[in-house]
Amino acid sequence: KAGVTQTPRYLIKTRGQQVTLSCSPISGHRSVSWYQQTPGQGLQFLFEYFSETQRNKGNFPGRFSGRQFSNSRSEMNVSTLELGDSALYLCASSFLGQGDTFGSGTRLTVV
Amino acid sequence: QQQVKQSPQSLIVQKGGISIINCAYENTAFDYFPWYQQFPGKGPALLIAIRPDVSEKKEGRFTISFNKSAKQFSLHIMDSQPGDSATYFCAATLSGSARQLTFGSGTQLTVLP
Repeated sequence: KAGVTQTPRYLIKTRGQQVTLSCSPISGHRSVSWYQQTPGQGLQFLFEYFSETQRNKGNFPGRFSGRQFSNSRSEMNVSTLELGDSALYLCASSFLGQGDTFGSGTRLTVV
Repeated sequence: QQQVKQSPQSLIVQKGGISIINCAYENTAFDYFPWYQQFPGKGPALLIAIRPDVSEKKEGRFTISFNKSAKQFSLHIMDSQPGDSATYFCAATLSGSARQLTFGSGTQLTVLP
């Protein structure tokens, strides 16, 4: 079956702009989580959605937000981009608390 | 309370050798401990996972050893191969309703041919 699909793969934005990243989970997976990966901070949890509800949120500023649609697809939005937001953003889906399957990520570069 | 500490940061092993990566956690409520393998340009891929009611789990060449009293767990890669060269992350989470993986800092493994 198809894996977790993240679009776009690469993105270049200017400071102050906003960006929306998309994630399509594995069919049947209702839990979608987002992570930020940077060389300095490693992998950090952003938030998790289940059945269109945010169940958990990491320690990130309010500029980072997300949502989940009825078909379990999820989007995350970052407003007022800063240089430090440059990172690989990873989406993971899981089924009933079993192992998380990650997508290949969206590489965001803020210039 | 939420940290997972991973060592070493990098590891070089000869082909056929044993690779050992260690992790320690603080939050005793964690009850699910997965290991992920990540290749450049890819997302982390689940390798093997363990729950604290088991002291060891083996899948092929990969073994997790778990020490609940010491709050430590480790990944052993037997007969390491050049294709195993990747970054490995340990993680921990609560297996309840809210998914939130807390990751270690990663170990870059290089297996020499």
